[in-house]
Amino acid sequence: KQEVTQIPAALSVPEGENLVLNCSFTDSAIYNLQWFRQDPGKGLTSLLLIQSSQREQTSGRLNASLDKSSGRSTLYIAASQPGDSATYLCAVRTTSGTYKYIFGTGTRLKVLA
Amino acid sequence: EAGVAQSPRYKIIEKRQSVAFWCNPISGHATLYWYQQILGQGPKLLIQFQNNGVVDDSQLPKDRFSAERLKGVDSTLKIQPAKLEDSAVYLCASSPRAGAGETQYFGPGTRLLVL
Repeated sequence: KQEVTQIPAALSVPEGENLVLNCSFTDSAIYNLQWFRQDPGKGLTSLLLIQSSQREQTSGRLNASLDKSSGRSTLYIAASQPGDSATYLCAVRTTSGTYKYIFGTGTRLKVLA
Repeated sequence: EAGVAQSPRYKIIEKRQSVAFWCNPISGHATLYWYQQILGQGPKLLIQFQNNGVVDDSQLPKDRFSAERLKGVDSTLKIQPAKLEDSAVYLCASSPRAGAGETQYFGPGTRLLVL
């Protein structure tokens, strides 16, 4: 059974700092991995999607890497800003059946001005 | 393009009462998902529809939860009767088609509190 873990559960950093969020999964048989952002009282917004054959994806100040063999992904945020404050969720898509997402528990990020 | 709409945004009920949530997906999206997100946890898929047919409901507690998607557009999720542990945010998402390559677009969610 696929399980997804995110560390740390919460993180508070000063503005301008570079930071790394971690995601690990137990079954390497995934179709893809996606990072989402969730703001309080709002739904999820897709940030980056990495296919299982890819090693990383970049969008602006965000860079996500994937090491399928070790069951790990990292989300790197460069030069953090207060507007980056949110909960970040990673989700893996299973290769069997209906390709459902299995979500991690999230990392709650606060960037201090 | 309008996003996924959900209503109500908040609901407070007593245990053993019934409650229903509504979702309007993005126009033209064939696939619709309902997730349950308990505080401090990631979303868990409850049910997935392809048009108006159920694709996956393996994690739906069918003794109390039901969902339908009439005419392959809007969907309702019902809980009857509610339990304290049903307190959560219920998220609806849609995608143009089924399949692992499709991005899901999420609505704002309905926050349910069962007292």
